[in-house]
Formats: sequence, C-alpha cells, structure tokens
Amino acid sequence: QSALTQPRSVSGSPGQSITISCTGTSSDIGDYNYVSWYQQHPGKAPKLILYHVTKRPSGVPDRFSGSKSGNTASLTVSGLQAEDEAVYYCCSYAGSYTFVLFGGGTRLTVL
Amino acid sequence: QVQLQESGPGLVRPSETLSLTCTVSGGSISSYYWNWIRQPPGKGLEWIAYINYSGTTKSNPSLNSRVTISVDTSKNQVSLKVTSVTAADTAVYFCARELYSNSFDAWGQGTLVIVSS
Repeated sequence: QSALTQPRSVSGSPGQSITISCTGTSSDIGDYNYVSWYQQHPGKAPKLILYHVTKRPSGVPDRFSGSKSGNTASLTVSGLQAEDEAVYYCCSYAGSYTFVLFGGGTRLTVL
Repeated sequence: QVQLQESGPGLVRPSETLSLTCTVSGGSISSYYWNWIRQPPGKGLEWIAYINYSGTTKSNPSLNSRVTISVDTSKNQVSLKVTSVTAADTAVYFCARELYSNSFDAWGQGTLVIVSS
C-alpha cells in the first residue's frame, strides 16, 4: 500500500496560519480515527503533536489543531512562529494487514 | 520520563543481518507497544514492526519475511533483526513507544545504519 500523500512544502509568515493536508484512502484515513501528526527538526527524532485526529499531547501548544474529512486529514498551525519551521509527517492506522502508513512529509518554511 | 536509546553496528555488509537494540529507561516496558521506525537519509518515515511486553508482534508486509522483533522484559530492551540487507536498508532506525493506538509519543534519538561492503 502506498504512503499517504502530503504536499512537499508549505510556507507562511509569522503570525499567519497554514494547513497541511494528508490524503489517504477509504482503507486507512477514511476508515479509522487513528491519525497522528509528527514534527521533525533537522537531525532530531520526530515529535508527536497530534493523535487520534484532534488530540494534543501534554505540552503541545493549542496553535496546533487537526481535523479529518473523508479520506483526508489536515494539520493547521495558527500564529506561526519561527520554531514551527520543520518537516511534518502524518500517520494513519491502515488495518490489520498494512497496519501503519506515514505520509511523505511536508516542509514548513516560516518566511 | 521514559527514555529510549538505540544501539548497534553502524555498518552492515550487504546480505548480512542488521541487529539493533532499544534500551528503555525511566519506565517499565510493560503495558505498551514498542515500535521500530526507519528513515532513509533525506527521506520519509517507514514503520517496520511492533511488539508488546507479552510478545505479540506485527511487521510491515513489505519487510515481513526479513524482520524479527523481540522483547526482553528483564533488561527492558526491545530488539530488531533485519536479514539479507541491501543498500535500500540504509537508514536511521528509531525505536518508539506507542502510547495509544497509532500514536508514538516517545522516541529514541535514532541510530544510522549504513549497508555497504
């Protein structure tokens, strides 16, 4: 099964909002509410920022929010800050055979 | 706060077996699922496999026959073996704790494994 589809890059100015999409199929995103999002800075391990589509782990600012419609999940970052510049990955449960799929990653540039 | 540390050889020859260990400290290995995830240089993440404290396992179908994952609860360690490696297996390998379904909340720093003769 193919990876989830994300835009390669998005950009925004400080204070603005951006949205990153993550498109899957009816066998993964469309069928389960087990979508998570990760932020990865260069040379670092990914960091969980959203899970189960909309839930934020403790310590993650509420500037990060998630949603899902059909086969597409979205991550919105509001009030962009310089430290938000990173690569963002989506991830979805994909059933008992494929199990876990990641997106290809989206590079967020804060202008 | 739980910490994860991957260890193992940084260089593996083609056709040989890649072996890595993830040592968990600051918390018990019980009650969670433990995953291996890899990232080829400059590329995205790929889920490899998981195991729980009782030994239930699941691996990526694309790697299934080459992957073995095991747990040693007495040492708080999770191990990964990938057989018959090729250059395509060159990647940073991460171990990660799965807190809730499909949510990896704690990660090791990762270890780079290069497959080359």
